Amino acid sequence: AQSVAQPEDQVNVAEGNPLTVKCTYSVSGNPYLFWYVQYPNRGLQFLLKYITGDNLVKGSYGFEAEFNKSQTSFHLKKPSALVSDSALYFCAVRDDPGGYQKVTFGTGTKLQVIP
Amino acid sequence: GAVVSQHPSRVICKSGTSVKIECRSLDFQATTMFWYRQFPKQSLMLMATSNEGSKATYEQGVEKDKFLINHASLTLSTLTVTSAHPEDSSFYICSATRSSYNEQFFGPGTRLTVL
Repeated sequence: AQSVAQPEDQVNVAEGNPLTVKCTYSVSGNPYLFWYVQYPNRGLQFLLKYITGDNLVKGSYGFEAEFNKSQTSFHLKKPSALVSDSALYFCAVRDDPGGYQKVTFGTGTKLQVIP
Repeated sequence: GAVVSQHPSRVICKSGTSVKIECRSLDFQATTMFWYRQFPKQSLMLMATSNEGSKATYEQGVEKDKFLINHASLTLSTLTVTSAHPEDSSFYICSATRSSYNEQFFGPGTRLTVL
């Protein structure tokens, strides 16, 4: 079974400061990890993914995430937060390399960037 | 590329009627499409996975006869909520993938309100 946890319901950060949104996962095989962002009343937008390779993954809008196998974490980071980054962020995981492609989403973390 | 559209974006219907929601991949052929339901301030709940030309795979607890899914082509999947009731009111989101290893691309969502 696969699962993902986002321990923080909300993260507040001042504009210009670095931000981190936490995510930990549990899979039986190799993880495929994703981050998505959702703005109010909209669908999800893909930010970045880790499949294999470098542990530091760079994505859209200046976001990056670091895959840490020993800590089973995939935290989302950005060096300098913008007010426009305020949104709901979802971490997702799957460990099926083929066939059925079910992805499990975390409960979401609301990011609030304070001007 | 990788744009997914949904229609309608909002729909209000009377209890007992049926509502059809369309999900289209506009610039790619989707091997698999997914239907999610999202309650306010909650994560996405996977309802079903569908592959073109085959029956949808429903998640546990999702009524197949109530939520009819048709995946007629590689670019179109439809979700029909039959005999809708107020408790079916929700935000329905579809997504599509291009291959087994890729991220999902999400539609903008459909807000269903059943009176």
